[in-house]
Order: sequence, then C-alpha cells, then structure tokens
Amino acid sequence: GAGVSQSPRYKVAKRGQDVALRCDPISGHVSLFWYQQALGQGPEFLTYFQNEAQLDKSGLPSDRFFAERPEGSVSTLKIQRTQQEDSAVYLCASSRTYYNEQFFGPGTRLTVL
Amino acid sequence: AQSVTQLGSHVSVSEGALVLLRCNYSSSVPPYLFWYVQYPNQGLQLLLKYTSAATLVKGINGFEAEFKKSETSFHLTKPSAHMSDAAEYFCAVSVGGGSNYKLTFGKGTLLTVNP
Repeated sequence: GAGVSQSPRYKVAKRGQDVALRCDPISGHVSLFWYQQALGQGPEFLTYFQNEAQLDKSGLPSDRFFAERPEGSVSTLKIQRTQQEDSAVYLCASSRTYYNEQFFGPGTRLTVL
Repeated sequence: AQSVTQLGSHVSVSEGALVLLRCNYSSSVPPYLFWYVQYPNQGLQLLLKYTSAATLVKGINGFEAEFKKSETSFHLTKPSAHMSDAAEYFCAVSVGGGSNYKLTFGKGTLLTVNP
C-alpha cells in the first residue's frame, strides 16, 4: 500500500475485555514501532521490531500488553484485560531500516469504558 | 536518557505572521532531532530532521529549524503562517543506533492560525 495502515481506526472495549490492534506497514519496511499517545500528550514508545524479532519492549506498560510480528510484516498489539488507563491512540510506524525516517499510520483510538 | 521540552502547549498567530515553536532537548550523547506535524485524526508527518550535518535544517511546507548545541535547542520557524499550518506539532529526539532509534516526543504545541 501507499502508507502505513491500522485497523480498526476506533475501538470501544469494556473494562476487562481483550483487544487486538493491527498494523500493516509499508511493504518492504524492516523496522516497525508501536507508540501510545494519551490525550493531550506526545506519543510514547512501546516496542520495536526488526523483521520478526522484537528487539525492544521496554516501553510496554505492563504484562497485559503483548506485540507480535510473526512473518516480519503485519504486526498486532494485544492488550489483555483492558483498563481505563489503557484508553489512548495507538500509533504504528515503519521504516526501511532502523535509521531511516519513520512513517506513521493514522492510529487506533481505543476507549475503555 | 533523552528528553524533550516544548515550551507553550498552544501558540496562536495571525495569517502571514512569523511562526516560532520552541523545543529544548536533553541528551547525554549527540542527538538526532525531529519535528513532526499531526493533523486531526491523522498520523504524524515528518517536517524536518537534524542528523549532525548542517545546523540549519530546511523542511517541507516552508518550515526550518536551527540546531543550537550551546542552548540545547531546536526551535521550529516559518516566516509567514498559512491557515493550512494549523495543526499540532511535536518535537522528538533519538540517540540513534539499533533499537535506540525509538523516538522520544515532547508533549506537543497546538498551532492556531487566525485570519
């Protein structure tokens, strides 16, 4: 595709539900990043993949957060037992390699009720 | 660890006026610095980046920024604001190298352009 796509664009979950957020990076991009953007804040790093390898997950806020990229392309961010504090926009970015420009998707807005 | 401080969460200018958005960084090693723009319900778009070459960096849409090591600043400017510049702007820092290419963002500055 022409850019990074994310689905769904909006997700409403009841507290305690599990959610899965999908990111389709630009074809051929090796690096993939997930960021969390709370309301009125800048994005904060969650995790980074190089191909299928998760090289940095230092930003994941708890063990309820899990990300995967099994074939080195599409990535899924999973949040188990969602809490209200998980409400945020989740941004995915990809780059050709780790030192190139990161291209961002439009984000998934998660609202936990 | 690196960090970014954006001074002013909201800046309002008149159309045709100078735009100045302030960013100060903290980094223990030479940083890479970025400015991104975010329009409502859209992802972040890179405006410009500093990667240790020229200290005055020109970006898209007439924006530019100057890296000043002595002031640890990377302020974004545009000589003449357009209505289409109204958006949220984020300054970000990265210290480079492998997974350290993750970006650390400031809290953002909302730019309003008045007719």
